[in-house]
Amino acid sequence: NAGVTQTPKFQVLKTGQSMTLQCAQDMNHNSMYWYRQDPGMGLRLIYYSASEGTTDKGEVPNGYNVSRLNKREFSLRLESAAPSQTSVYFCASSNRDSVREQYFGPGTRLTVT
Amino acid sequence: RKEVEQDPGPFNVPEGATVAFNCTYSNSASQSFFWYRQDCRKEPKLLMSVYSSGNEDGRFTAQLNRASQYISLLIRDSKLSDSATYLCVVNVLGGNKLVFGAGTILRVKS
Repeated sequence: NAGVTQTPKFQVLKTGQSMTLQCAQDMNHNSMYWYRQDPGMGLRLIYYSASEGTTDKGEVPNGYNVSRLNKREFSLRLESAAPSQTSVYFCASSNRDSVREQYFGPGTRLTVT
Repeated sequence: RKEVEQDPGPFNVPEGATVAFNCTYSNSASQSFFWYRQDCRKEPKLLMSVYSSGNEDGRFTAQLNRASQYISLLIRDSKLSDSATYLCVVNVLGGNKLVFGAGTILRVKS
């Protein structure tokens, strides 16, 4: 039981490049989330998916797209990376009835130069 | 104004000390409250929920003051292993999203 896994762990991009961050969970959770964490800002919600087949914008969705591929997987895509997207990205999942406990992946440290 | 505000610290305390953190939230519709813990360069993990009547979990006590819209976390007999960032987290009624504070850094020294 791996919990929530994320790939890659580290990535350096040049401005304008694109990439997809992958996330998978094996806990049969309905809801999945993507956050970014910046110093002094706390975790900010980018997108979330309450259930398979649905996605909704969070607090900071601009510059990102997501895909809920199936119940297990929720990917985050940066179409044209910008230096302002340098951050640590966390994926999380939770049961629909227990939003209080979100289980987080280990994070992806992204640097855009 | 941030929806959840915390003193960033750091709080530097000796082993065995008692330390308390406060957190304020701005949305009066907030219904559920939590403390998460985040170790350096790791993911956040749920530490404990915060109930209206206050609750304890070993050395940790959480309290909620709805009238003043603040939450507190008290740690007694601090251990070196308590060194971490403590995140105050709020859930608004009917929502399936959590709002995280920026965190308070605790450093426990021997």
